[in-house]
This record gives sequence, structure tokens and C-alpha cells, in this order.
Amino acid sequence: DAKTTQPNSMESNEEEPVHLPCNHSTISGTDYIHWYRQLPSQGPEYVIHGLTSNVNNRMASLAIAEDRKSSTLILHRATLRDAAVYYCILRGYDYKLSFGAGTTVTVRA
Amino acid sequence: DTGVSQDPRHKITKRGQNVTFRCDPISEHNRLYWYRQTLGQGPEFLTYFQNEAQLEKSRLLSDRFSAERPKGSFSTLEIQRTEQGDSAMYLCASSLKPAQETQYFGPGTRLLVL
Repeated sequence: DAKTTQPNSMESNEEEPVHLPCNHSTISGTDYIHWYRQLPSQGPEYVIHGLTSNVNNRMASLAIAEDRKSSTLILHRATLRDAAVYYCILRGYDYKLSFGAGTTVTVRA
Repeated sequence: DTGVSQDPRHKITKRGQNVTFRCDPISEHNRLYWYRQTLGQGPEFLTYFQNEAQLEKSRLLSDRFSAERPKGSFSTLEIQRTEQGDSAMYLCASSLKPAQETQYFGPGTRLLVL
């Protein structure tokens, strides 16, 4: 599996944007970039995914570098409910998700 | 759409006992996955079903573990002769479409082996 590298933790203030980086220098042309998050005591939940172009949905935005070797998940206005572990995952044709340790996001009121 | 459900949510057992967990996927989802998560780590893939067929098992799934999905709907994960190292959160997920599909996770079953 292609690997991703994320910071262990990040802190943010409530209602401020959060930019979560992910490095994936060994990404292949067919790998999609997926983000999931896991709130305390819950199973992971899907956030967003993309291939080459930037993507937006109601939860977040995904900015993908032109060479696709890195990406950034953007939470536009962090709330206390966004405190979670965020996982950046590369998926090719494999059906299973390969999680790393993720980034623990703390949101200060 | 009621989401993925898992039962029980918590299980405490003594070493050497057998335990069984149940997962009810979102209806009509043909793919079902089991993952295991230990404290401070991300989930690790255990096994995967497409309908009733078990298509892959991870090396993490020792002979003491068995999973079934008899009618292509709910699934069970059984651990025989539990060991303390089996203590973890066991997560189930389901999905509908092939490649690149979103996986929907249940709340997990937390197992503690004493």
C-alpha cells in the first residue's frame, strides 16, 4: 500500500479554519486520496475524497497539489464537534482501507 | 437508512472464552468489512465479504478468528479461546458500489479480555 505521512496533532480555535496536511510522495496515478475522521468513541466516518482536482463538500474541502504528492484537508470553520482523529488514506483498486495513525485535531473554545 | 449497527457495544470476557460479535450493515450494501483497532492506532483490516462470499482475510486473522455472512446480510465475527492480546475495538463497515466507494462504519464492539 502506498503510504501517507501526517502530523501527529494539530490545535485550532473554534470558528477558525484548520488545514490538515498529508504527504503521499509514492502515490500512483490510479490512487484516490480519501479522508476519514473518527470522533471519540465512534467508528470512522467518510469526509471527502479526490483524484486530481480540488473538491468541496458540506463538511470540508480537499486541495490536491499539482504533482499529487501532497494534499490538504481544509475545515473552513472548526467547531468543537470537529475534534477528532483525521486519517488520510490512498486507495487504488483495493477495496480495503489502510489507516495510519492519523492527525488528532483539538479545537479550543 | 438506519446505518451500520453492531452488537454488543461492549464485551468483557475471561481469557480462554469464546465470544461472538454481530454486524448489521446498511440494507442492500453488498460489501461488508471487519476491522480491528487498538488504543492509539488506526483501524486494521481483518476480512471482507462480497455478499455471502468471504474474499480476503488478513494475516492478522489467526485460526482462532472466524467470520461468516450466511445470507449476504448480517455478519458474525467469532473469536475462540480469547487471549489478552485480542482486547481491542472491532469495527464493521459496509459499502454498496465497487472501487472508490464510501465505507460506512458502525460504532464498534469494544472487547476486553481479562
